[in-house]
Amino acid sequence: GENVEQHPSTLSVQEGDSAVIKCTYSDSASNYFPWYKQELGKRPQLIIDIRSNVGEKKDQRIAVTLNKTAKHFSLHITETQPEDSAVYFCAASPRGYSTLTFGKGTMLLVSP
Amino acid sequence: GAGVSQSPSNKVTEKGKDVELRCDPISGHTALYWYRQSLGQGLEFLIYFQGNSAPDKSGLPSDRFSAERTGGSVSTLTIQRTQQEDSAVYLCASSLGRLAGTGELFFGEGSRLTVL
Repeated sequence: GENVEQHPSTLSVQEGDSAVIKCTYSDSASNYFPWYKQELGKRPQLIIDIRSNVGEKKDQRIAVTLNKTAKHFSLHITETQPEDSAVYFCAASPRGYSTLTFGKGTMLLVSP
Repeated sequence: GAGVSQSPSNKVTEKGKDVELRCDPISGHTALYWYRQSLGQGLEFLIYFQGNSAPDKSGLPSDRFSAERTGGSVSTLTIQRTQQEDSAVYLCASSLGRLAGTGELFFGEGSRLTVL
């Protein structure tokens, strides 16, 4: 089955800095890569996703890049704000709309 | 309802007891997932239902775990003879499934299980 590795497990940045979280996946058939944000005590929510037919996608201060050859994808957050503090999970799905395999999460702390 | 509903929100039980956790997905969502979240362990896949297809049970950790989905809607996750290592937050999620152009999962608030 699919295996997703996520790094780092924790990340501390100053407000205004950029943050990068990286994930690798094992199944070359995976074609859907979402990122979820989970604030403390709340449910995970989708923030951005990318499909294997594109290499990059942006939405305001967040962007995701995908390298299919290397089987890794990354989340980039620019101009970080304290409200970006949360746990971020990457995930991969081998068949689009079926099982999502998640990474172990990255706790991002943005200090004012 | 407007979102995925789970009950109970908190459950404390004694080792060896059986527990049932319930999930009511968003109306019209054909796909339903159960995940387990333990501290530092991320989101561990348990089981996936898609419409009337046979469920993907590949994530269930032991035969003490089972789940069913009645009428393509409400799902119940049952843990028999609970162990302390079963303590975790059990998250249910639903999505529009294969018929939609999005794979977004909508999660419930979770059921926190504590086994004493």
